[in-house]
Amino acid sequence: NAGVTQTPKFQVLKTGQSMTLQCAQDMNHEYMSWYRQDPGMGLRLIHYSVGAGITDQGEVPNGYNVSRSTTEDFPLRLLSAAPSQTSVYFCASRQGSTNEKLFFGSGTQLSVL
Amino acid sequence: GENVEQHPSTLSVQEGDSAVIKCTYSDSASNYFPWYKQELGKGPQLIIDIRSNVGEKKDQRIAVTLNKTAKHFSLHITETQPEDSAVYFCAASIQGGSEKLVFGKGTKLTVNP
Repeated sequence: NAGVTQTPKFQVLKTGQSMTLQCAQDMNHEYMSWYRQDPGMGLRLIHYSVGAGITDQGEVPNGYNVSRSTTEDFPLRLLSAAPSQTSVYFCASRQGSTNEKLFFGSGTQLSVL
Repeated sequence: GENVEQHPSTLSVQEGDSAVIKCTYSDSASNYFPWYKQELGKGPQLIIDIRSNVGEKKDQRIAVTLNKTAKHFSLHITETQPEDSAVYFCAASIQGGSEKLVFGKGTKLTVNP
């Protein structure tokens, strides 16, 4: 039972480089989301999707793009990485509405030099 | 928008003692309040949640209380054990058609043997 799978687990980028953080879930969840976690800041929502073909911005969307072409996958793209994007990124999914359990992946630790 | 304040940021207790973590929220329309536990190097996991039509909920050594009038909710852990050591996050739902949870900044709980 894989749940929410994130790759890679660790990544180091240079300023200006681009990359995609992958997220896949095998629970047929409609809702998927990306959070970043910074020391003393808790979890902040970057982007989310309520279903294939539908995405929306969260609290801190600048510098990130997302797409949702399938139910299973929700990649997060950094077009031009900046040191301020150094963080731990978590993908999460749930079935249905806000009042349901959110399942988190194990995270991607990203450093931008 | 919704703002969730969580206190304390760190908490150290002796094994067997009780631990209490408190959160306040600003949006009176919020109706779902989950608590997540994050162990080192892992993603957060839901440990208990409460909906606004309930004042208290228990699950073995863990309980959550909600005071809608005062807009605060608390996590209570009794008979703490070293394996309870982790970072705990509270969250509150944003209503009005949104699909978002707003998280507190977290409490690092250390249970000393």
